[in-house]
Amino acid sequence: AQSVTQPDIHITVSEGASLELRCNYSYGATPYLFWYVQSPGQGLQLLLKYFSGDTLVQGIKGFEAEFKRSQSSFNLRKPSVHWSDAAEYFCAVGAWNTPLVFGKGTRLSVIA
Amino acid sequence: GAGVSQSPSNKVTEKGKDVELRCDPISGHTALYWYRQSLGQGLEFLIYFQGNSAPDKSGLPSDRFSAERTGGSVSTLTIQRTQQEDSAVYLCASSAGLAGYNEQFFGPGTRLTVL
Repeated sequence: AQSVTQPDIHITVSEGASLELRCNYSYGATPYLFWYVQSPGQGLQLLLKYFSGDTLVQGIKGFEAEFKRSQSSFNLRKPSVHWSDAAEYFCAVGAWNTPLVFGKGTRLSVIA
Repeated sequence: GAGVSQSPSNKVTEKGKDVELRCDPISGHTALYWYRQSLGQGLEFLIYFQGNSAPDKSGLPSDRFSAERTGGSVSTLTIQRTQQEDSAVYLCASSAGLAGYNEQFFGPGTRLTVL
């Protein structure tokens, strides 16, 4: 069965510190992988996606993610967190024109 | 160049009543998805449309839930005889539906509260 696990429900980091959000997936075929961000009261915004090729992908807002097939992981990173990054982050897996399977999300809090 | 819109943004209803939630996808997008976001449950897939057809309804939680799409555009999700466990944010997404991967664009959601 397809599934996505985000082991961290809530993470708190200091502004300016680095960030890594974990994501592990289970998928039968070669997956497409995504990270979305949801700010309070807002819809989901795509941060970045991986289809194939270079396993390190760059996204918007200074985020990047690395696909590691051997570990079935797609962790999201940012070298220096800003207060405006406080939000809920969702990892998702899918394929062409299929519904996405989402993790349960990681809530990021940023402190001064 | 409007994005995906959903209405109403908030809906409060009494247990047992029927509700209709509306989704207007991005113009020209043939694929449309409904998801439900419950507290602590993440996002769950409900139903997928390609054009006016729904090839995948596997996520609908019960026969109280139904959805339709007309003219390859607007979609309505109907929940009959609402229960308190139906309280959630209902999200709609659309994509171009072309060959190859197409990004899903999400609407802001409808927050449903069943009293």
